[in-house]
Amino acid sequence: QVQLVQSGAEVRKPGASVKVSCKASGYSFTDYYVHWVRQAPGQGLEWMGWISPNSGVTNQAQRFQGRVTMTRDTSIGTVYMELSSLSSDDTAVYFCARDGEPSGNHYWFDPWGQGTLVTVSS
Amino acid sequence: DIQMTQSPSTLSASVGDRVTITCRASQSISRWLAWYQQKPGKAPKVLIYDASTLESGVPSRFSGSGSGTEFTLTISSLRPDDFATYYCQQYNSYSPYSFGQGTKLEIK
Repeated sequence: QVQLVQSGAEVRKPGASVKVSCKASGYSFTDYYVHWVRQAPGQGLEWMGWISPNSGVTNQAQRFQGRVTMTRDTSIGTVYMELSSLSSDDTAVYFCARDGEPSGNHYWFDPWGQGTLVTVSS
Repeated sequence: DIQMTQSPSTLSASVGDRVTITCRASQSISRWLAWYQQKPGKAPKVLIYDASTLESGVPSRFSGSGSGTEFTLTISSLRPDDFATYYCQQYNSYSPYSFGQGTKLEIK
């Protein structure tokens, strides 16, 4: 079945960076864009950006530009999201999510990874 | 950027009730809208996409309607498993995507 499996919880100090992985299975990895969405404790969903696993092209929400890097490794069907210059405001669960349809047009997100809790604390 | 506003923020209802959640976009998004259900500690799950298309496997008591700037999610007869938080999401503009702030559906 189509599945996205994310790496485990992380704890970082302010100013550090974190890299979260998202391994895809059950479908053609390069055919579907993958998005990153985060959710602060008790808050709503915030879209961060997407990556095309085929070309490696990325697009980030303006508020994360310069601080987030999205990459992929097609040999192992995995995408990565690295967030730098962390502050306590970045404490959140980070989700990866696949486009609902292939081809890179604008689509809903389905399925989602299970989420990765990133805690930023001194 | 397109802002999405959901109402109400919290909804108290009983098993068997019919409930409706509204989502308004700050500008027209045609029918590029999805609804998600999220339970505590879990990832969101898509219920409806393209405003009114029911995702495979989702019970038919869920339905969506609307176009342009106003959309609704209706649950025709609440089941105990439906108490969760619901989010709308627009995917009209290629960048950036945006979500509503969420509606928490509570047991009355």
